[in-house]
Amino acid sequence: GAVVSQHPSWVICKSGTSVKIECRSLDFQATTMFWYRQFPKQSLMLMATSNEGSKATYEQGVEKDKFLINHASLTLSTLTVTSAHPEDSSFYICSARGGLAKTPYNEQFFGPGTRLTVL
Amino acid sequence: QKEVEQNSGPLSVPEGAIASLNCTYSDRGSQSFFWYRQYSGKSPELIMSIYSNGDKEDGRFTAQLNKASQYVSLLIRDSQPSDSATYLCAVNTGNQFYFGTGTSLTVIP
Repeated sequence: GAVVSQHPSWVICKSGTSVKIECRSLDFQATTMFWYRQFPKQSLMLMATSNEGSKATYEQGVEKDKFLINHASLTLSTLTVTSAHPEDSSFYICSARGGLAKTPYNEQFFGPGTRLTVL
Repeated sequence: QKEVEQNSGPLSVPEGAIASLNCTYSDRGSQSFFWYRQYSGKSPELIMSIYSNGDKEDGRFTAQLNKASQYVSLLIRDSQPSDSATYLCAVNTGNQFYFGTGTSLTVIP
């Protein structure tokens, strides 16, 4: 399968600071990247969908000014949590979808996730 | 009605048994179906994809799709304790992906 990386894998920050999370597709070009959030023992919650070179599409209830998404290239998308607060503490997971020689276009591959703790 | 529904479980099976995981979806136009495995504290991992009616086998895993009944299942043969995880069903409809809430599977040694 395809490889998607995320950085950092975990981060602890003070309330009010901003945190940037990077998501990279390492061996394929990701036409679409997705950002999810998952609280302990709960299911994945899609936050936004981003296509390279265009604005992200946010799910209902997700503040686009708080969760800034930039999909600058076919291999990189970033999520910036601005003015983070303790309630933003969660497991953030990106996924990527793209054309690969051996996999269909619409398979979605997940990064390892970033665990954010806001003090 | 949710787009994708799964029984949350927990489902417990003894080691060596067949684990059967089920998923139903609401949109008849859905084209692609996926099963992901998620270990506690980790991100989901794609284990099976299926696109046409019938069975698709990969090692100990078999995915079954019945579009007429809007039903997709995952069978795990010879279940191992390492299969203990949450299994997520995902459905692709147009440009949208929908995930079920997952079924927790425990394989008892």
